[in-house]
Amino acid sequence: AQKITQTQPGMFVQEKEAVTLDCTYDTSDPSYGLFWYKQPSSGEMIFLIYQGSYDQQNATEGRYSLNFQKARKSANLVISASQLGDSAMYFCAMREVNAGNNRKLIWGLGTSLAVNP
Amino acid sequence: DTEVTQTPKHLVMGMTNKKSLKCEQHMGHRAMYWYKQKAKKPPELMFVYSYEKLSINESVPSRFSPECPNSSLLNLHLHALQPEDSALYLCASSPIKDSMNTEAFFGQGTRLTVV
Repeated sequence: AQKITQTQPGMFVQEKEAVTLDCTYDTSDPSYGLFWYKQPSSGEMIFLIYQGSYDQQNATEGRYSLNFQKARKSANLVISASQLGDSAMYFCAMREVNAGNNRKLIWGLGTSLAVNP
Repeated sequence: DTEVTQTPKHLVMGMTNKKSLKCEQHMGHRAMYWYKQKAKKPPELMFVYSYEKLSINESVPSRFSPECPNSSLLNLHLHALQPEDSALYLCASSPIKDSMNTEAFFGQGTRLTVV
């Protein structure tokens, strides 16, 4: 069965520093997609970045980059130059295609990031 | 316009009440989702609609009744809820493409409290 593991329940980082949020996954499918979402206290789930299993390069979106190590089955999120507004819950998720060809997201437990001024 | 709109933002209801949550998107997405999320937990998938037809029901109790009247609207009808149903209810939509990179766009959620 597919699984996402986020081992850091909580993280602290100083403003303007970089931080890495860990995510490992387990799947036997050769084709999969990995997503990172940010959820502030307001509740909205905000898509940050995507990495496909066949992508040759690590994904980047502004201050967000994904350190994708396929052999180790890890997809860590790197946030550069942290800002106070980055304080939020961060979820790693993997897209699963089930027997009915329905696409579902498998979620990790999340990492709560606090950015200190 | 990349927005999913949910109403209401907050809802308090008694265990004998009937209420509905509404979700709307105008991005042309043909897949829509309901999730339930408890505090500090990941979202739990409840229902998926594809082309306005229910394609996934994650064994959700019948006191939750979804409805997709058209391609832009998704409702969740609530009846005889229990206090443990208090949670953040998130709606999401995504395109239906034969690829893995179809991310879901989420609304801001409805914070439901059952008293």
